[in-house]
Amino acid sequence: QQQVKQSPQSLIVQKGGISIINCAYENTAFDYFPWYQQFPGKGPALLIAIRPDVSEKKEGRFTISFNKSAKQFSLHIMDSQPGDSATYFCAAGASGGSYIPTFGRGTSLIVHP
Amino acid sequence: GAVVSQHPSWVICKSGTSVKIECRSLDFQATTMFWYRQFPKQSLMLMATSNEGSKATYEQGVEKDKFLINHASLTLSTLTVTSAHPEDSSFYICSAPGLTGNTIYFGEGSWLTVV
Repeated sequence: QQQVKQSPQSLIVQKGGISIINCAYENTAFDYFPWYQQFPGKGPALLIAIRPDVSEKKEGRFTISFNKSAKQFSLHIMDSQPGDSATYFCAAGASGGSYIPTFGRGTSLIVHP
Repeated sequence: GAVVSQHPSWVICKSGTSVKIECRSLDFQATTMFWYRQFPKQSLMLMATSNEGSKATYEQGVEKDKFLINHASLTLSTLTVTSAHPEDSSFYICSAPGLTGNTIYFGEGSWLTVV
């Protein structure tokens, strides 16, 4: 059973556009929601993360929107650049005890120049 | 930030041989490390949780005898793929929780090709 559902599987955006990736989770015990960026042949790198006590977190061009009641969160990339082309993974987990996040299936983002 | 280093970055081995992949936390101690497997264009699949000083915890469906994990120190975990076969070819990634616990730092990954 997939606990974190991510969509879309792939996304093509023009340079300067907004990229939006959505995730939904099922486990109400989850309280930490990071997004990872992975370039081909490299390990994932933490991009931005949010906790359920806030509805939005912004870091530069990257924003996480969080809807606790709907159990959904999304990543918005403003002014998308070709260098943003990568695979993005959302994750979710419960911080009590040993934190082991569950990852979404990933979204392949291509930003055309 | 915390750095996790993996070695080798890529390795080619013959069927039937064993290959070891190292995962090191460079500037912090990690009592727990995680090993993932990733097929092309797919998500990360957690294989096992490596625990310093004790046995690793394997996820369902992962063969313990094939994927040997050793966590001998607070900064080093190793994954040994024994009697490798072509279907074991994959991208293997380790990770470790940072000092805050919830932040997971990933290694650069290791490409394994079994021929």
